[in-house]
Amino acid sequence: SAVISQKPSRDICQRGTSLTIQCQVDSQVTMMFWYRQQPGQSLTLIATANQGSEATYESGFVIDKFPISRPNLTFSTLTVSNMSPEDSSIYLCSFGQGASQYFGPGTRLLVL
Amino acid sequence: AQTVTQSQPEMSVQEAETVTLSCTYDTSESDYYLFWYKQPPSRQMILVIRQEAYKQQNATENRFSVNFQKAAKSFSLKISDSQLGDAAMYFCASLHRSSNYKLTFGKGTLLTVNP
Repeated sequence: SAVISQKPSRDICQRGTSLTIQCQVDSQVTMMFWYRQQPGQSLTLIATANQGSEATYESGFVIDKFPISRPNLTFSTLTVSNMSPEDSSIYLCSFGQGASQYFGPGTRLLVL
Repeated sequence: AQTVTQSQPEMSVQEAETVTLSCTYDTSESDYYLFWYKQPPSRQMILVIRQEAYKQQNATENRFSVNFQKAAKSFSLKISDSQLGDAAMYFCASLHRSSNYKLTFGKGTLLTVNP
């Protein structure tokens, strides 16, 4: 399968600021996804990002808080805006290949 | 809506022994996939095994195998000859084409392997 990377791997941010997480796949993929994993919890889908269209957000997640870009078939970004301590989580991107999904290494975010 | 339930928050196994992790799911559809993911302390999500709902044969990947009971909507993971490196959080997940290939995860089972 393709290789997927994320940057940064971790960050500590102040409340009220924003952080942009980058996700890079080493081959072209149609579907990319962004998940959040809060401490001690399972993964929750934030949005689906397909190239050439607006991201589709899940219930409870809005574009103003989590704007997503998908400029081409190998790259996507997720911004966590106006952060609060409740945004402290691991953020993971994934891509679909066939019916399987493969995940990046995650970005561990701590908001103070 | 699809749901996935893992009823065992924690499990432990002795090294070289066999352990089974349970998972049940709910769906009204016929076209779906089931997965087990492993998340070690590094937090990387690793795909362990995949099962297509239309296949009757249980999937196997080396020491990992599943017991897929479609009528009972059960999808358990068996790990044989457990190794210390198997210690991790294990998540069961379902995927439906009708939901645009979104994964729905269970809450996870933390597996400890004792030497």
